[in-house]
Amino acid sequence: NAGVTQTPKFQVLKTGQSMTLQCAQDMNHEYMSWYRQDPGMGLRLIHYSVGAGITDQGEVPNGYNVSRSTTEDFPLRLLSAAPSQTSVYFCASSYSRLAGTYSTDTQYFGPGTRLTVL
Amino acid sequence: KQEVTQIPAALSVPEGENLVLNCSFTDSAIYNLQWFRQDPGKGLTSLLLIQSSQREQTSGRLNASLDKSSGRSTLYIAASQPGDSATYLCAGVSGGGADGLTFGKGTHLIIQP
Repeated sequence: NAGVTQTPKFQVLKTGQSMTLQCAQDMNHEYMSWYRQDPGMGLRLIHYSVGAGITDQGEVPNGYNVSRSTTEDFPLRLLSAAPSQTSVYFCASSYSRLAGTYSTDTQYFGPGTRLTVL
Repeated sequence: KQEVTQIPAALSVPEGENLVLNCSFTDSAIYNLQWFRQDPGKGLTSLLLIQSSQREQTSGRLNASLDKSSGRSTLYIAASQPGDSATYLCAGVSGGGADGLTFGKGTHLIIQP
């Protein structure tokens, strides 16, 4: 298993540009999520999904869009990049034993995408 | 809203020592707590997961405990090695408020050879 993969590893954007960060997992996990990690702020949840076709907002969703058309993929879209979105982005996945909107199993993280917005 | 705090923010100890990293959380209605390790410029590696019904989990030289009533978790590292140097993060899943993991800001650990 490749686990959780993310592309690209690094990206530089200009203010106002849009882009998609890719995330894929091959573990058949229902639950997938996106976090951003900023110095002094820790990791914060952006969006999450409990299965194909179902997404919801986390703590810091503004400026980001997600969709979940398949179990394997969960892309994160930056609609109009801003310098405040300079960060390291992590995707995570896990099984979801319960029918609710949270995961109670080990969460596996991808290697991250380091994004700089100029 | 769940808040997670980790103390100390940084720790430097000689090789071979046993050490304890602390994690506290404000909402006792926690479903599980997970400890991660993060090496510089890398992703997060899961170390241990403790469900709310459990009190501790062990993996090799690592032992994590969970006390919901006091809102605390500890990660015990036995016989520390230079390879244990990393940032250690704890994170909890709670039923109320935002879903997903709520992270502490981490403890930066340095093991001196």
